[in-house]
Amino acid sequence: EVQLVESGGGLVQPGGSLRLSCAASGFTFSSYSMNWVRQAPGKGLEWVSYISSSSSTIYYADSVKGRFTISRDNAKNSLYLQMNSLRDEDTAVYYCARGSLAYCGGDCYPFDYWGQGTLVTVSS
Amino acid sequence: DIQMTQSPSSLSASVGDRVTITCRASQGIRNDLGWYQQKPGKAPKRLIYAASSLQSGVPSRFSGSGSGTEFTLTISSLQPEDFATYYCLQHNSYPPYTFGQGTKLEIK
Repeated sequence: EVQLVESGGGLVQPGGSLRLSCAASGFTFSSYSMNWVRQAPGKGLEWVSYISSSSSTIYYADSVKGRFTISRDNAKNSLYLQMNSLRDEDTAVYYCARGSLAYCGGDCYPFDYWGQGTLVTVSS
Repeated sequence: DIQMTQSPSSLSASVGDRVTITCRASQGIRNDLGWYQQKPGKAPKRLIYAASSLQSGVPSRFSGSGSGTEFTLTISSLQPEDFATYYCLQHNSYPPYTFGQGTKLEIK
């Protein structure tokens, strides 16, 4: 059974930092790209960041570029999001979501499994 | 960036009703679209992938159609557990991946 479990959320002051983790199990983690998606209170879903299976390709939403850093440790089946210079508008539930299988060709169906989310609150 | 315009933003319906939700892409995305259901306090759950393929374990009253720029999610006969918020997501052209704004389906 595929499982994604996020951790690391909490209350942080504006300008502060936080590191989120996502522990993966039930599939070959090193063969899949991964993503972070967030949802501000009462709002819709917003894609945040992508990392390829080998970490060779990384993308960020414009709203977090230069402040957030995505990374992964395939030996530990773990995904991370380092969040620096946090702002009030970064307050959200952060989800990790599985991407596509590497070399999926024309049959790529990412965002099939999601974790339960971890809440990040940026407030003074 | 590809914009996904989802409509309606909210919808009131009764158990047993047939409902349709639409997502329109700002440019062609082939069939690279998924539909998700989200209940309060829970993670999104994928219902449909590749625009029209039913995710394993999802009831057959859910169906998806469309290709290119126009997509629909249809629930053929609403059940009490279907009242939730629904989102579309395009994964054809990224970054960024883009979601529709969501449709909140409420009980009439």
